[in-house]
Amino acid sequence: QVQLQESGPGLVKPSQTLSLTCTVSGGSISSGDYYWSWIRQPPGKGLEWIGYIYYSGSTYYNPSLKSRVTISVDTSKNQFSLKLSSVTAADTAVYYCARLRITMVREYYFDYWGQGTLVTVSS
Amino acid sequence: EIVLTQSPGTLSLSPGERATLSCRASQSVSSSYLAWYQQKPGQAPRLLIYGASSRATGIPDRFSGSGSGTDFTLTISRLEPEDFAVYYCQQYGSSPQLTFGGGTKVEIK
Repeated sequence: QVQLQESGPGLVKPSQTLSLTCTVSGGSISSGDYYWSWIRQPPGKGLEWIGYIYYSGSTYYNPSLKSRVTISVDTSKNQFSLKLSSVTAADTAVYYCARLRITMVREYYFDYWGQGTLVTVSS
Repeated sequence: EIVLTQSPGTLSLSPGERATLSCRASQSVSSSYLAWYQQKPGQAPRLLIYGASSRATGIPDRFSGSGSGTDFTLTISRLEPEDFAVYYCQQYGSSPQLTFGGGTKVEIK
């Protein structure tokens, strides 16, 4: 059974960089059928896709966040990471890592999610 | 960017009733790229439907998805107490880009 677990600081100061890591267990991050993704959800609001990365290092970002986001992968540790720079209170959210599956018939969906971690931006 | 609009925002129903949730896209979406998720308070979303109409592993058959083009529907044939939650649709688009709908809350009447 695949499991994803987010880790990182729960409090970040405005203008600083938010850094989170997702550790994948029960499966290899190097499998070619998946993209590894970050999604966030502000308190009481809906879901926003941040971006995803392939095990090879290819990345795709939400255009609205692209200038501030970096996603990287460490296949040796079966982990991938998120950095979001110049954060403001608007970046306060629960951050989820998730596995985006791509099927043979090119269906795309998030089949496994981490439990989520709340990151608060405040001085 | 493809915008997904879900309606209604809140659906108030009783256990045993039928729930019909709508997801409308601002432009045509391939059925392969449309998925539905259920989210309960304090939990991560759970995949229900992918490819517009295929149930994910372990999802009861009271959940069904349909639609094509710009109009998609999630139907819960008979609401069970554990089905009261928020439901999101999601699409994968070119660029590539992923977007979610704003959600429909199914609450107990």
